[in-house]
Amino acid sequence: GENVEQHPSTLSVQEGDSAVIKCTYSDSASNYFPWYKQELGKRPQLIIDIRSNVGEKKDQRIAVTLNKTAKHFSLHITETQPEDSAVYFCAASILSGGYNKLIFGAGTRLAVHP
Amino acid sequence: GAVVSQHPSRVICKSGTSVKIECRSLDFQATTMFWYRQFPKQSLMLMATSNEGSKATYEQGVEKDKFLINHASLTLSTLTVTSAHPEDSSFYICSARGGSIKDTEAFFGQGTRLTVV
Repeated sequence: GENVEQHPSTLSVQEGDSAVIKCTYSDSASNYFPWYKQELGKRPQLIIDIRSNVGEKKDQRIAVTLNKTAKHFSLHITETQPEDSAVYFCAASILSGGYNKLIFGAGTRLAVHP
Repeated sequence: GAVVSQHPSRVICKSGTSVKIECRSLDFQATTMFWYRQFPKQSLMLMATSNEGSKATYEQGVEKDKFLINHASLTLSTLTVTSAHPEDSSFYICSARGGSIKDTEAFFGQGTRLTVV
């Protein structure tokens, strides 16, 4: 079945350092990979996404890379700030039974210390 | 971004009763809606996917007779937890996406915390 693995489960960094979160997916037909940020008690919010025809995408301090051959994709946050502290989820979208459904990784709890 | 509204945000019900949760897309037509369950400090577990006017597709291990999903219009989907038990207590969250089969951003509702006593 479809599966998305995410590592690490927790990540603690000093303000200004970089943070990297990695995910792997099982279904080679996956073609859309969004990243969501969920702050405590709030709904997940999309922060960046990448499609299978692109290897890298950047938006200010956030970047995502995709290796389709290895079925890996990663989130990179540079110059981290305390407000980046949250839980981050990767996801992979697969077409199944006529639907494009999103399967989420287990999440990474990022703590940025001042 | 688009707005998805979920109601109620919190509900407490007695064991054996049913609870209905609504998910509305306020400013776009949601051709597909997803229902997730999230346990404390855990990931979003997909329960079912529904397209407007069609029967929902349930994930393995999710009882369709217990978690009734209706997607009657392009802006409303409902999840009814029937004969709720304490083990059904959880955070339920919906997401909605527009378009056809092309991948688009999925927008989340604010979630519903269900407590069954």
